[in-house]
Amino acid sequence: EVQLVESGGGLIQPGGSLRLSCAASGFTVSRSYMGWVRQAPGKGLEWVAIIYSAGDTFNADSVKGRFTISRDIPKNTLFLQMNSLRADDTAVYYCARASTNWLYFDFWGQGALVTVSS
Amino acid sequence: DIQMTQSHSTLSASEGDRVTITCRASQSINTWLAWYQQRPGKAPKVLIYKASTLQSGVPSRFSGSGSGTEFTLTISSLQPEDFATYYCQQYNSYPLTFGGGTKVEIK
Repeated sequence: EVQLVESGGGLIQPGGSLRLSCAASGFTVSRSYMGWVRQAPGKGLEWVAIIYSAGDTFNADSVKGRFTISRDIPKNTLFLQMNSLRADDTAVYYCARASTNWLYFDFWGQGALVTVSS
Repeated sequence: DIQMTQSHSTLSASEGDRVTITCRASQSINTWLAWYQQRPGKAPKVLIYKASTLQSGVPSRFSGSGSGTEFTLTISSLQPEDFATYYCQQYNSYPLTFGGGTKVEIK
C-alpha cells in the first residue's frame, strides 16, 4: 500500500528554519517524481518544489533561494528544507508523488502544518 | 506563468444534479490538465488526468473534457460524498499552477 507520512511541522518565528520530512512506503522515492504542494489557511493549492527521479529539482519563484527539496534514498524519505521563513509561508505542506514522467500528483500525504509567527 | 481560472468559486447543487465545473488556461496547455477533489481537512485526490482520463478507482460519474485553454469537469449525478472543493492543475510547463478552486455546496 502506498503511504506518505509528513512530519516536522510546527510554529516557527519569522526568519527561522524548519525541515519537513515525508516518509514513503509502498514505492521507491528515488524512482519517482516527488513534490511539495502547500495550502495557506482557507486558500487554494500552490506548487512549491519537485525532484525528478534523476535528481533534477525545480522550485516555485516564491521559494527560490529559500527552500530546498531533497531525498534520502536509503531511508526512502523526501525532505523540504525551509529557510528565511516568512509569515506568508504559513500553510499546510503536502508531500505528493507525481505520476511517472507526468507532472500531476497521483498520491498525497496527509499534510504538515507550518505556522510562521512571532 | 500560465494562469488557471475557475470561473465559479462556489456552486450550489442538489443530490442527483448534473454539475459542470469549468477551468480556463491563460495559454494553450494541450491536454496537460488534471482535476482534484479536496474534502474539508483532507488531502487532495486526483480524479482526472490528461484532461479526460479517469484515474483508477474514481467513479465513472466523473468525466473531463477540453483541450487548449478550455476544460470542464462533469459530475453526472451528484452524490453526498461529492460535496467538496475541486481544483484544476496544468502541467504543461513550470511553474505548475492550480486554479483557485470551485466549492460544490448543498443547495
